[in-house]
Amino acid sequence: GQSLEQPSEVTAVEGAIVQINCTYQTSGFYGLSWYQQHDGGAPTFLSYNALDGLEETGRFSSFLSRSDSYGYLLLQELQMKDSASYFCAVATGANNLFFGTGTRLTVIP
Amino acid sequence: DGGITQSPKYLFRKEGQNVTLSCEQNLNHDAMYWYRQDPGQGLRLIYYSQIVNDFQKGDIAEGYSVSREKKESFPLTVTSAQKNPTAFYLCASIVDISSGNTIYFGEGSWLTVV
Repeated sequence: GQSLEQPSEVTAVEGAIVQINCTYQTSGFYGLSWYQQHDGGAPTFLSYNALDGLEETGRFSSFLSRSDSYGYLLLQELQMKDSASYFCAVATGANNLFFGTGTRLTVIP
Repeated sequence: DGGITQSPKYLFRKEGQNVTLSCEQNLNHDAMYWYRQDPGQGLRLIYYSQIVNDFQKGDIAEGYSVSREKKESFPLTVTSAQKNPTAFYLCASIVDISSGNTIYFGEGSWLTVV
């Protein structure tokens, strides 16, 4: 079967750096993407990695290692507004995006 | 502005009733998706459609039905056969998932069985 594993909860201090890991086992792989979802809202796209390496977008960076079936999302200079759930998702084909169960990030003062 | 509009935001269903959630997009995207999210869980794919008049079952299609008569519209019907329909439903559209294009989500619809 297919699976994506992420930690269920992470707590970090405002201004710090936090890394959210994602390991996957899927029947197909086109790329790994990350989404942010605040309570009661829709997920919003953060980043996408199709190739190995690091992608940087402002305070957020995402890394992929296809040989290890592993990726992570790195959030720097944490702000209170970053408190949300973060989902990794694997594009398993042209038509399907398989989501993990999410990591709830709590930023504390 | 371009985007995806879902309605209603909140919906209550009585036992044995069918209800329909609306999803409209003006992004000119070919592919549209319906996901279900239970509290504290990830998103699970119900149905998707790549082109008009064609749609495919996702991982949890039982108890749901869809139609795609127009490119802009992809309504989801939650039938009485869906025994546990209380959840957050998200509609999405994308040009091509495999190329990494951004997937756009609607604001979601909360369905509660009363």
